[in-house]
Amino acid sequence: DIVLTQSPGTLSLSPGERASLSCRASLSVTGSYLAWYQQKPGQAPRLLIYGAFLRAIGIPDRFSGSGSGTDFTLTISRLEPEDFAVYYCQQYGSSPTFGQGTRLEIK
Amino acid sequence: VQLVESGGGLVQPGGSLRLSCAASGFTFSSYAMSWVRQAPGKGLEWVSGISGSGSSTFHSDSVKGRFTVSRDNSKNTLYLQMNSLRAEDTAVYFCARSIAVAATWNHWGQGSLVTVSS
Repeated sequence: DIVLTQSPGTLSLSPGERASLSCRASLSVTGSYLAWYQQKPGQAPRLLIYGAFLRAIGIPDRFSGSGSGTDFTLTISRLEPEDFAVYYCQQYGSSPTFGQGTRLEIK
Repeated sequence: VQLVESGGGLVQPGGSLRLSCAASGFTFSSYAMSWVRQAPGKGLEWVSGISGSGSSTFHSDSVKGRFTVSRDNSKNTLYLQMNSLRAEDTAVYFCARSIAVAATWNHWGQGSLVTVSS
Protein backbone atom coordinates (compact mmCIF):
# COMPACT_ATOMS: atom_id res chain seq x y z
CA ASP A 1 0.00 0.00 0.00
CA ILE A 2 1.06 3.59 -0.62
CA VAL A 3 1.87 5.41 2.62
CA LEU A 4 0.96 9.10 2.73
CA THR A 5 2.83 11.35 5.16
CA GLN A 6 1.35 14.75 5.93
CA SER A 7 3.24 17.70 7.35
CA PRO A 8 3.17 19.55 9.55
CA GLY A 9 1.17 17.62 12.14
CA THR A 10 -0.24 20.88 13.48
CA LEU A 11 -0.26 24.28 11.82
CA SER A 12 -1.02 27.40 13.88
CA LEU A 13 -2.09 30.42 11.84
CA SER A 14 -4.36 33.46 12.06
CA PRO A 15 -7.41 34.26 9.93
CA GLY A 16 -6.37 36.01 6.74
CA GLU A 17 -3.04 34.19 6.53
CA ARG A 18 -2.04 31.66 3.86
CA ALA A 19 -1.81 27.96 4.71
CA SER A 20 0.26 25.34 2.89
CA LEU A 21 -0.26 21.68 3.80
CA SER A 22 2.02 18.97 2.44
CA CYS A 23 1.32 15.35 1.53
CA ARG A 24 4.17 13.07 0.50
CA ALA A 25 3.62 9.58 -0.93
CA SER A 26 5.90 6.58 -0.48
CA LEU A 27 5.40 5.72 -4.19
CA SER A 28 4.28 7.76 -7.16
CA VAL A 29 0.50 8.26 -7.14
CA THR A 30 -0.92 6.89 -10.38
CA GLY A 31 -2.69 9.47 -12.53
CA SER A 32 -2.35 12.11 -9.79
CA TYR A 33 -5.33 10.44 -8.13
CA LEU A 34 -4.92 12.48 -4.96
CA ALA A 35 -7.74 14.04 -2.94
CA TRP A 36 -7.98 16.38 0.05
CA TYR A 37 -10.67 16.35 2.73
CA GLN A 38 -11.61 18.69 5.55
CA GLN A 39 -13.07 17.29 8.76
CA LYS A 40 -14.54 19.16 11.71
CA PRO A 41 -15.27 17.54 15.10
CA GLY A 42 -18.28 15.25 15.06
CA GLN A 43 -18.74 15.59 11.31
CA ALA A 44 -18.09 13.45 8.27
CA PRO A 45 -15.19 14.41 6.01
CA ARG A 46 -15.88 16.90 3.25
CA LEU A 47 -14.23 16.50 -0.15
CA LEU A 48 -12.29 19.62 -1.15
CA ILE A 49 -9.97 18.60 -4.00
CA TYR A 50 -9.69 15.51 -6.24
CA GLY A 51 -7.43 14.67 -9.14
CA ALA A 52 -4.74 16.67 -7.32
CA PHE A 53 -6.14 20.07 -8.34
CA LEU A 54 -9.86 19.82 -9.21
CA ARG A 55 -12.15 21.60 -6.75
CA ALA A 56 -15.24 19.70 -5.69
CA ILE A 57 -18.63 21.32 -6.23
CA GLY A 58 -19.29 24.18 -3.83
CA ILE A 59 -15.71 24.52 -2.58
CA PRO A 60 -14.50 28.15 -2.42
CA ASP A 61 -11.67 29.14 -4.73
CA ARG A 62 -9.41 30.01 -1.80
CA PHE A 63 -8.74 26.24 -1.68
CA SER A 64 -6.32 24.96 -4.31
CA GLY A 65 -4.38 21.77 -4.86
CA SER A 66 -1.13 21.16 -6.68
CA GLY A 67 1.56 18.56 -7.19
CA SER A 68 2.19 15.27 -8.93
CA GLY A 69 4.13 12.06 -8.48
CA THR A 70 4.95 11.85 -4.79
CA ASP A 71 4.58 15.46 -3.60
CA PHE A 72 1.27 17.28 -3.24
CA THR A 73 0.16 20.51 -1.58
CA LEU A 74 -3.14 21.95 -0.40
CA THR A 75 -3.09 25.74 -0.23
CA ILE A 76 -5.68 27.93 1.46
CA SER A 77 -5.01 31.44 0.21
CA ARG A 78 -6.70 33.48 2.96
CA LEU A 79 -7.88 31.63 6.03
CA GLU A 80 -11.46 32.14 7.14
CA PRO A 81 -12.58 31.24 10.70
CA GLU A 82 -14.48 28.20 9.37
CA ASP A 83 -11.32 26.75 7.78
CA PHE A 84 -9.79 25.68 11.08
CA ALA A 85 -10.18 21.90 11.06
CA VAL A 86 -8.27 18.70 10.33
CA TYR A 87 -7.22 18.04 6.73
CA TYR A 88 -6.51 14.65 5.20
CA CYS A 89 -4.96 13.70 1.89
CA GLN A 90 -6.03 10.45 0.23
CA GLN A 91 -4.73 8.58 -2.79
CA TYR A 92 -6.93 6.44 -5.00
CA GLY A 93 -4.52 5.36 -7.72
CA SER A 94 -4.23 2.01 -5.95
CA SER A 95 -5.90 0.54 -2.86
CA PRO A 96 -7.11 3.74 -1.16
CA THR A 97 -5.06 5.14 1.71
CA PHE A 98 -5.19 8.31 3.79
CA GLY A 99 -2.54 10.48 5.37
CA GLN A 100 -2.54 10.84 9.15
CA GLY A 101 -3.95 14.39 8.98
CA THR A 102 -2.84 17.97 9.61
CA ARG A 103 -4.61 19.93 12.32
CA LEU A 104 -5.03 23.59 11.35
CA GLU A 105 -5.58 25.60 14.52
CA ILE A 106 -6.14 29.26 15.29
CA LYS A 107 -3.03 31.05 16.51
CA VAL B 1 -28.14 13.09 -1.82
CA GLN B 2 -28.67 11.47 1.55
CA LEU B 3 -26.85 8.55 3.14
CA VAL B 4 -28.07 7.22 6.49
CA GLU B 5 -26.17 4.49 8.32
CA SER B 6 -27.69 2.17 10.91
CA GLY B 7 -26.89 -1.04 12.74
CA GLY B 8 -23.99 0.04 14.91
CA GLY B 9 -23.70 -0.79 18.59
CA LEU B 10 -21.79 -2.71 21.23
CA VAL B 11 -20.62 -6.23 20.37
CA GLN B 12 -18.29 -8.67 22.08
CA PRO B 13 -14.95 -9.69 20.57
CA GLY B 14 -15.51 -12.49 18.07
CA GLY B 15 -19.09 -11.36 17.44
CA SER B 16 -20.85 -10.16 14.31
CA LEU B 17 -22.73 -7.06 13.23
CA ARG B 18 -24.30 -5.85 10.00
CA LEU B 19 -24.30 -2.19 9.08
CA SER B 20 -26.76 -0.72 6.60
CA CYS B 21 -26.64 2.52 4.62
CA ALA B 22 -29.90 3.77 3.12
CA ALA B 23 -29.34 5.99 0.09
CA SER B 24 -31.68 8.50 -1.49
CA GLY B 25 -31.61 11.45 -3.86
CA PHE B 26 -29.65 9.82 -6.65
CA THR B 27 -29.63 6.75 -8.92
CA PHE B 28 -28.03 4.36 -6.45
CA SER B 29 -27.04 1.67 -8.95
CA SER B 30 -24.99 4.17 -10.98
CA TYR B 31 -22.41 4.78 -8.26
CA ALA B 32 -19.69 2.80 -6.57
CA MET B 33 -19.89 2.96 -2.78
CA SER B 34 -17.46 2.44 0.06
CA TRP B 35 -17.20 2.09 3.81
CA VAL B 36 -14.59 4.23 5.56
CA ARG B 37 -13.95 4.05 9.30
CA GLN B 38 -12.43 6.25 11.95
CA ALA B 39 -11.27 4.91 15.31
CA PRO B 40 -11.88 7.27 18.26
CA GLY B 41 -9.49 10.21 18.04
CA LYS B 42 -7.71 8.70 15.02
CA GLY B 43 -7.54 9.20 11.27
CA LEU B 44 -9.54 7.79 8.38
CA GLU B 45 -9.20 4.27 7.01
CA TRP B 46 -10.84 2.86 3.88
CA VAL B 47 -12.46 -0.50 4.66
CA SER B 48 -14.43 -1.83 1.69
CA GLY B 49 -15.77 -0.79 -1.70
CA ILE B 50 -18.29 -2.11 -4.21
CA SER B 51 -19.11 -1.29 -7.81
CA GLY B 52 -22.47 0.11 -8.84
CA SER B 53 -23.74 -3.25 -10.08
CA GLY B 54 -22.34 -5.08 -7.08
CA SER B 55 -20.31 -7.41 -9.29
CA SER B 56 -16.95 -6.18 -7.96
CA THR B 57 -16.00 -5.88 -4.32
CA PHE B 58 -12.81 -4.78 -2.60
CA HIS B 59 -11.60 -4.97 0.99
CA SER B 60 -8.60 -3.65 2.87
CA ASP B 61 -6.10 -6.21 4.13
CA SER B 62 -7.11 -5.41 7.71
CA VAL B 63 -10.66 -6.74 7.19
CA LYS B 64 -10.25 -9.21 4.32
CA GLY B 65 -11.84 -12.54 5.15
CA ARG B 66 -13.86 -11.05 8.04
CA PHE B 67 -15.95 -8.27 6.46
CA THR B 68 -18.17 -8.49 3.38
CA VAL B 69 -19.62 -5.52 1.49
CA SER B 70 -22.80 -5.94 -0.53
CA ARG B 71 -25.66 -3.88 -1.91
CA ASP B 72 -29.31 -4.26 -2.83
CA ASN B 73 -29.99 -1.85 -5.66
CA SER B 74 -33.73 -2.57 -5.50
CA LYS B 75 -33.72 -1.23 -1.93
CA ASN B 76 -31.09 1.49 -2.48
CA THR B 77 -29.13 0.06 0.43
CA LEU B 78 -25.47 -0.70 1.07
CA TYR B 79 -24.40 -3.27 3.66
CA LEU B 80 -21.31 -4.24 5.60
CA GLN B 81 -21.35 -7.66 7.25
CA MET B 82 -18.71 -7.72 9.95
CA ASN B 83 -17.67 -11.07 11.46
CA SER B 84 -14.95 -12.08 13.92
CA LEU B 85 -14.88 -8.56 15.30
CA ARG B 86 -11.82 -7.37 17.22
CA ALA B 87 -11.24 -4.51 19.63
CA GLU B 88 -9.31 -2.69 16.90
CA ASP B 89 -12.45 -2.63 14.73
CA THR B 90 -13.98 -0.13 17.18
CA ALA B 91 -14.70 2.96 15.10
CA VAL B 92 -17.29 5.20 13.50
CA TYR B 93 -18.17 3.64 10.16
CA PHE B 94 -19.12 6.01 7.35
CA CYS B 95 -20.72 5.01 4.09
CA ALA B 96 -19.65 7.17 1.19
CA ARG B 97 -20.59 7.65 -2.47
CA SER B 98 -17.83 7.70 -5.07
CA ILE B 99 -17.21 10.30 -7.71
CA ALA B 100 -18.10 8.17 -10.76
CA VAL B 101 -16.06 4.97 -10.40
CA ALA B 102 -13.09 6.47 -8.61
CA ALA B 103 -12.41 5.59 -4.99
CA THR B 104 -12.77 9.10 -3.72
CA TRP B 105 -15.99 10.29 -2.16
CA ASN B 106 -18.05 13.45 -2.42
CA HIS B 107 -21.02 12.38 -0.31
CA TRP B 108 -20.84 10.85 3.15
CA GLY B 109 -23.28 9.61 5.78
CA GLN B 110 -23.18 10.79 9.38
CA GLY B 111 -21.52 7.60 10.58
CA SER B 112 -22.46 4.67 12.82
CA LEU B 113 -20.43 3.79 15.92
CA VAL B 114 -19.31 0.20 16.38
CA THR B 115 -17.78 -0.68 19.74
CA VAL B 116 -16.12 -4.06 20.20
CA SER B 117 -15.64 -4.77 23.89
CA SER B 118 -16.36 -7.40 26.50
